[in-house]
Amino acid sequence: AQSVTQLGSHVSVSEGALVLLRCNYSSSVPPYLFWYVQYPNQGLQLLLKYTSAATLVKGINGFEAEFKKSETSFHLTKPSAHMSDAAEYFCAVSGKNDMRFGAGTRLTVKP
Amino acid sequence: GAGVSQTPSNKVTEKGKYVELRCDPISGHTALYWYRQSLGQGPEFLIYFQGTGAADDSGLPNDRFFAVRPEGSVSTLKIQRTERGDSAVYLCASSLSGSSYEQYFGPGTRLTVT
Repeated sequence: AQSVTQLGSHVSVSEGALVLLRCNYSSSVPPYLFWYVQYPNQGLQLLLKYTSAATLVKGINGFEAEFKKSETSFHLTKPSAHMSDAAEYFCAVSGKNDMRFGAGTRLTVKP
Repeated sequence: GAGVSQTPSNKVTEKGKYVELRCDPISGHTALYWYRQSLGQGPEFLIYFQGTGAADDSGLPNDRFFAVRPEGSVSTLKIQRTERGDSAVYLCASSLSGSSYEQYFGPGTRLTVT
């Protein structure tokens, strides 16, 4: 069965610093992988998705993620954090009929 | 265009009561999903509809939970004899097809059982 594990429930960075949120997946078939962002009291918004095309995926708000099969990873990065990036981030893998989510990483951005 | 909407945004009910949560998917989306998100956790799958039928209800925790989608659009999640452990945010999502390729989420309904 497909699953994802997010390493680090909380990440804190300074404004302008690199953002790195880690996600490892487990899948018996080539996976479709996603990153979602959730702002307080809002639903999930898709940041980017990997669907077996290019391994480096660019998303919205300057985020990108790289699919590394050898490491079973799909880490999310952004070169320069902005205060507005503070939110909860979820990595997910598509299952047969659903989406399997990680536990989430809360990103804090310090001024 | 309009996204997925959910009503109510907040629902407080007493233990043992019955509640209904509503989801309006994006127009034209045939697939609809319900998830439950507990505090500090990622969303957990409850049920998936393709059209009017529940194609997969393996995530429903017990028989107190039931969902319908009679006309293949709006869906209602129904919880009978609510328990305090049912307190969570209930998220609805829709997608163009049933592949779970890309799901669009609503803002959720926060259910509190006192």
